[in-house]
Amino acid sequence: EVQLVESGGGLVQPGGSLRLPCAASGFTFSHYSMSWVRQAPGRGLEWVASIKQDGSEKFYGDSVKGRFTISRDNAKSSLYLQMNSLRDEDTAVYYCAREVTVAGTGFISWGQGTLVTVSS
Amino acid sequence: SYVLTQPPSVSVAPGKTARITCGGNNIGSKSVHWYQQKPGQAPVLVIHYDSDRPSGIPERFSGSNSGNTATLTISRVEVVDEADYYCQVWDSSSDRVIFGGGTKLAVL
Repeated sequence: EVQLVESGGGLVQPGGSLRLPCAASGFTFSHYSMSWVRQAPGRGLEWVASIKQDGSEKFYGDSVKGRFTISRDNAKSSLYLQMNSLRDEDTAVYYCAREVTVAGTGFISWGQGTLVTVSS
Repeated sequence: SYVLTQPPSVSVAPGKTARITCGGNNIGSKSVHWYQQKPGQAPVLVIHYDSDRPSGIPERFSGSNSGNTATLTISRVEVVDEADYYCQVWDSSSDRVIFGGGTKLAVL
């Protein structure tokens, strides 16, 4: 059974940093593109970032480019999101998601999400 | 940047057919994916590659994509289908994932 488990969420002050890990199991992690998708309270889904299977290419949404960094450790079957210079508008539930295969094929598996609250 | 437009809400009676549209410039040239999200839950992929159903998704869910509009069709709608629905594409010209704004399906 495919499982994606996010952690690391919590309350952080504006301008602060946070690192979100996502532990994957039940599939060969290194075979799939992975992504982060977020959802602000009461709002729709917003794509944050994606990373190819071997980590050679990374893609970012405009609202996080230059502040967030996506990475992966295939040996540990783990995905990460390093978030710096956090803003109030980054408050959201952050989901880790696996593509059907490569980037653009649809997010077939999702974690339960971890809540990040940016507030003073 | 590429934009996907969905109606904010759609209402349908139980047993009827619901159609949720997703508009985008020449969206027919892209692969469209659809997600269902119920309150407090993670999204679920219900249609990918325009019209393919992942394992476990009822046959009542179908999709089409042509021209400037993609459509998610839910036949014989049930109360359990009440949820938010999102369309999504990969915009290869900008290397970005694009989500539509979402449509709340009300089963009345």
